[in-house]
Amino acid sequence: ELKVEQNPLFLSMQEGKNYTIYCNYSTTSDRLYWYRQDPGKSLESLFVLLSNGAVKQEGRLMASLDTKARLSTLHITAAVHDLSATYFCAVERGGSEKLVFGKGTKLTVNP
Amino acid sequence: DGGITQSPKYLFRKEGQNVTLSCEQNLNHDAMYWYRQDPGQGLRLIYYSQIVNDFQKGDIAEGYSVSREKKESFPLTVTSAQKNPTAFYLCASSLGAWEPQHFGDGTRLSIL
Repeated sequence: ELKVEQNPLFLSMQEGKNYTIYCNYSTTSDRLYWYRQDPGKSLESLFVLLSNGAVKQEGRLMASLDTKARLSTLHITAAVHDLSATYFCAVERGGSEKLVFGKGTKLTVNP
Repeated sequence: DGGITQSPKYLFRKEGQNVTLSCEQNLNHDAMYWYRQDPGQGLRLIYYSQIVNDFQKGDIAEGYSVSREKKESFPLTVTSAQKNPTAFYLCASSLGAWEPQHFGDGTRLSIL
């Protein structure tokens, strides 16, 4: 059974600082997705990582995937308040197009 | 603009009542999904459909039913057998493998 763990679950950081969110998963998968959710809102797709060593960057966010370690990271550079949200990673189950989501990391960026 | 429309935004269910949540997409996506989100939790898959007239149970299908009579529509019925239906329900669709799922704005269901 595929399990997806994110840590930390809660992250409070100051503007301008850097930090990394980790996503570990328990069984082999080549596809991993990162989503952002604002309070009471839907999910917005951030990154799609499809192969080992994949790295994607958008603004202050950078995501990477290591399929051998079953680990993805979401790195935040010089955080700003607008990045405050909950971030989810989701891993595809064995080519099935079904996703298993982590519990999410609630990020709060303080001025 | 293409997208996924869920309605209603808020829904209240009485004891013993079935309620149906609507999900419509105009993205021409083959695959559609229903998820449940509880506070502080990730999303859990209820049902999914990869093609019209076909659907599969997800991880928590008990107490729910779906239909897929049209490509653009995938309604979810929360039956009276679902004893703890209070949650945020999200519908998603995707073009297929290697593509991210696109989500609707969700329906928040509560018990009266």
